Amino acid sequence: SQKIEQNSEALNIQEGKTATLTCNYTNYSPAYLQWYRQDPGRGPVFLLLIRENEKEKRKERLKVTFDTTLKQSLFHITASQPADSATYLCAPRSYYGNNRLAFGKGNQVVVIP
Amino acid sequence: NAGVTQTPKFQVLKTGQSMTLQCAQDMNHNSMYWYRQDPGMGLRLIYYSASEGTTDKGEVPNGYNVSRLNKREFSLRLESAAPSQTSVYFCASSEISPGGGSPLHFGNGTRLTVT
Repeated sequence: SQKIEQNSEALNIQEGKTATLTCNYTNYSPAYLQWYRQDPGRGPVFLLLIRENEKEKRKERLKVTFDTTLKQSLFHITASQPADSATYLCAPRSYYGNNRLAFGKGNQVVVIP
Repeated sequence: NAGVTQTPKFQVLKTGQSMTLQCAQDMNHNSMYWYRQDPGMGLRLIYYSASEGTTDKGEVPNGYNVSRLNKREFSLRLESAAPSQTSVYFCASSEISPGGGSPLHFGNGTRLTVT
């Protein structure tokens, strides 16, 4: 069965530095992967989609990579700001079908001013 | 343009009671989803509806039923609530399936406590 792993420990980072989050998946090869941001008491908000034939995707200060050999996606926030403090969720295509996403447990980022 | 609206925002039930969680989207999306989110477990798919008139089970469907009332509305029913169903429930919608590159748009959740 699919397994999606994100670091359970919060990432504390100084403002202005680059935050890097890891998403590892096992037992299958998703054709694409999405990243979401979730703030306390709110639903997740879509950030980026990357497909298996794309090595890297960027959106403003965000960058996502997708290494199908390592079965890993990295999510980077460059020049981090306190407003970037949130939980970030990795969501590859589900092993069980194209209509579904499988979500990781999320990784909290705290940007310290 | 409200996006995805869930009602109620909070609910407390006693074991054995029933209730329906309502979800409506105004983006003319084809697909709709119900997830639950528990501490340490991440988001788990309960049921989804790829298009109007169809529904399918997700990872954790036991104890739940759904109805895709029309293209806009997708409700989740708990027939006999159990403490294990204490959770935050999120409804989401997408224009087409995520495999087509379509992101999910989430509501802000219903916080359900079953005592």
